[in-house]
Amino acid sequence: ELKVEQNPLFLSMQEGKNYTIYCNYSTTSDRLYWYRQDPGKSLESLFVLLSNGAVKQEGRLMASLDTKARLSTLHITAAVHDLSATYFCAVEWGAQKLVFGQGTRLTINP
Amino acid sequence: SAVISQKPSRDICQRGTSLTIQCQVDSQVTMMFWYRQQPGQSLTLIATANQGSEATYESGFVIDKFPISRPNLTFSTLTVSNMSPEDSSIYLCSVDTGYGYTFGSGTRLTVV
Repeated sequence: ELKVEQNPLFLSMQEGKNYTIYCNYSTTSDRLYWYRQDPGKSLESLFVLLSNGAVKQEGRLMASLDTKARLSTLHITAAVHDLSATYFCAVEWGAQKLVFGQGTRLTINP
Repeated sequence: SAVISQKPSRDICQRGTSLTIQCQVDSQVTMMFWYRQQPGQSLTLIATANQGSEATYESGFVIDKFPISRPNLTFSTLTVSNMSPEDSSIYLCSVDTGYGYTFGSGTRLTVV
């Protein structure tokens, strides 16, 4: 059974700082997704990572995938308050099944 | 990418009753997925719904409790049956767009 673990689960940081969220998974998979969820809202797709070594960037967020290490990272550069949200990674396993990490609740303080 | 309309957005229900959640997609999709997100938790897949066949349920979820219909390639419903307070969650449908998975806006269910 695939297990997906994120860390940290809670992250409080100041504006302007950099930080990284880690997503480890237990079984081989070549597809990994990052989502953002604001309180009371649905999931917004951030990145789709489909191969080993994939790196994608959008604004202050950058995601990477190392399938050999079964690790993905979501790096936040020069954080701003608007990035406060819960971030989920999800790994595709079997027939289009997504297994989600626990989520990282990110709070960015002025 | 596909746009999903999900309703209701929220509801408060009495225990012992049932609620049906609807998802309409603006394009034809082979499979639709239903997830549950318990308060403060991550998402868990309930079942996968194919048009023209019975839904496939994940471990811990059964058809009697969560019956699913998939009458065509753009529509699906999930019913939460005989509800108890433990069913209070956000329920989301999802589809594979070919470029990733898109989620509906979610149904926030509170059972009292």
